[in-house]
Amino acid sequence: EPEVTQTPSHQVTQMGQEVILRCVPISNHLYFYWYRQILGQKVEFLVSFYNNEISEKSEIFDDQFSVERPDGSNFTLKIRSTKLEDSAMYFCASQTFSIQYFGAGTRLSVL
Amino acid sequence: TQLLEQSPQFLSIQEGENLTVYCNSSSVFSSLQWYRQEPGEGPVLLVTVVTGGEVKKLKRLTFQFGDARKDSSLHITAAQPGDTGLYLCAGAGPGYALNFGKGTSLLVTP
Repeated sequence: EPEVTQTPSHQVTQMGQEVILRCVPISNHLYFYWYRQILGQKVEFLVSFYNNEISEKSEIFDDQFSVERPDGSNFTLKIRSTKLEDSAMYFCASQTFSIQYFGAGTRLSVL
Repeated sequence: TQLLEQSPQFLSIQEGENLTVYCNSSSVFSSLQWYRQEPGEGPVLLVTVVTGGEVKKLKRLTFQFGDARKDSSLHITAAQPGDTGLYLCAGAGPGYALNFGKGTSLLVTP
């Protein structure tokens, strides 16, 4: 069964460093999303992406964040200068027929 | 932001018992989805409800969407230890972005 793949499963970084979280959405899906879940809190929407551009973003998705679909298969989330409060699980999702399929997530730990 | 309140936050029951968890909002949603999340994994879709008053069954799980499309419930019959997990409801906004509740953490003991 097709699935959304995220790498790495765990990323440890120093505060101020740039990180890139990678996702391979399900083939033929057209809508892509990033969500995050801070430990003990709810899953929060960050950004949605369609037709090679951002279609919607939340207040969390500030100038430190960017997304890209560089090669037609990968979908990346970049955090330019990580802060301690960026520590969270980051989930990628791809959508077809109004159903979003989530990856297993990347746990980002900012030290 | 459309808030979704889930209750109870935690639920611990014995195998074989029935339970109901709730998802409430003051906002109307075009659709509402129920997910289950295991520790260290992403949410996995259980069901999507779209029509007010709609009832969907998935084996021992029964999902209901309120008539006004503001609330939903999940009823589990004869719970089993394998039902243990975090149950999340999420409402779809106009742009498809999902707005999640905090979830109900269910523990079913043998």
